[in-house]
Amino acid sequence: DAGITQSPRHKVTETGTPVTLRCHQTENHRYMYWYRQDPGHGLRLIHYSYGVKDTDKGEVSDGYSVSRSKTEDFLLTLESATSSQTSVYFCAISRGTGETQYFGPGTRLLVL
Amino acid sequence: QQQVKQSPQSLIVQKGGISIINCAYENTAFDYFPWYQQFPGKGPALLIAIRPDVSEKKEGRFTISFNKSAKQFSLHIMDSQPGDSATYFCAASGATYNTDKLIFGTGTRLQVFP
Repeated sequence: DAGITQSPRHKVTETGTPVTLRCHQTENHRYMYWYRQDPGHGLRLIHYSYGVKDTDKGEVSDGYSVSRSKTEDFLLTLESATSSQTSVYFCAISRGTGETQYFGPGTRLLVL
Repeated sequence: QQQVKQSPQSLIVQKGGISIINCAYENTAFDYFPWYQQFPGKGPALLIAIRPDVSEKKEGRFTISFNKSAKQFSLHIMDSQPGDSATYFCAASGATYNTDKLIFGTGTRLQVFP
C-alpha cells in the first residue's frame, strides 16, 4: 500500500451525529481525494484537495465538508449523519491530475 | 457526458478462459483511461492504464484495447486465474478543469472458477 492510512476503519453512528474520517499519507502527494463506494454506483468523488487549505467539491458533496491543514492529512466531516451516508469511504492520493491515484484501505460507515 | 458506462455487471469465467470487460464514454476530452482492481475489503489498485495515442497496451496477461472512434475501451484478461477474482473498475479523465477528476464505471465483479 502506498503509505495511506484511514481512521477509523469501521464506525457505527446514529442519525444526526457528526462524524469525522481521517486520511493520512506519508507520500507527500499534492492531491488528496475522498470517494464513497456504493453498490451499483462505483466510486463517486465527494471532495478533493489540490494543496494545503485548497479544496473543491466533487460529484456528491452535499452533506460533507473537508479540511486540509497539513499536506499529510485530509479530513472528511459529515456534519449531521444520515442513513443515506452509510457507505464505504475511500481516500486516495496522487501527485497530480491525470496521474495514478493510490487508494487507502477504506472506512466502513454505518449510520443507524 | 461525464459518465463512463461499464459492462457486464458480473462475469463468471472458467480458469484458463478469457475475461472481457467493456467500457464506453461520451466526453471526447478524456485522454487517460485506467483500470483498477479491487479485492474484498481492500481499496482499489491501479492495474493498467492507456492513453489514446495507442490502440492497445499489454502487461502480462492483462490487455487494454482502445477504440477512439467508437469511444470504447476494454480490459482483456488472458488465461484467467482464480486469483483474478475481484471487482474491476474502468475510469476516465482529461486534462481540462472540468474533466481532470477520474470518473469511474460502476464496476464488474469477476469470478474465476477452477
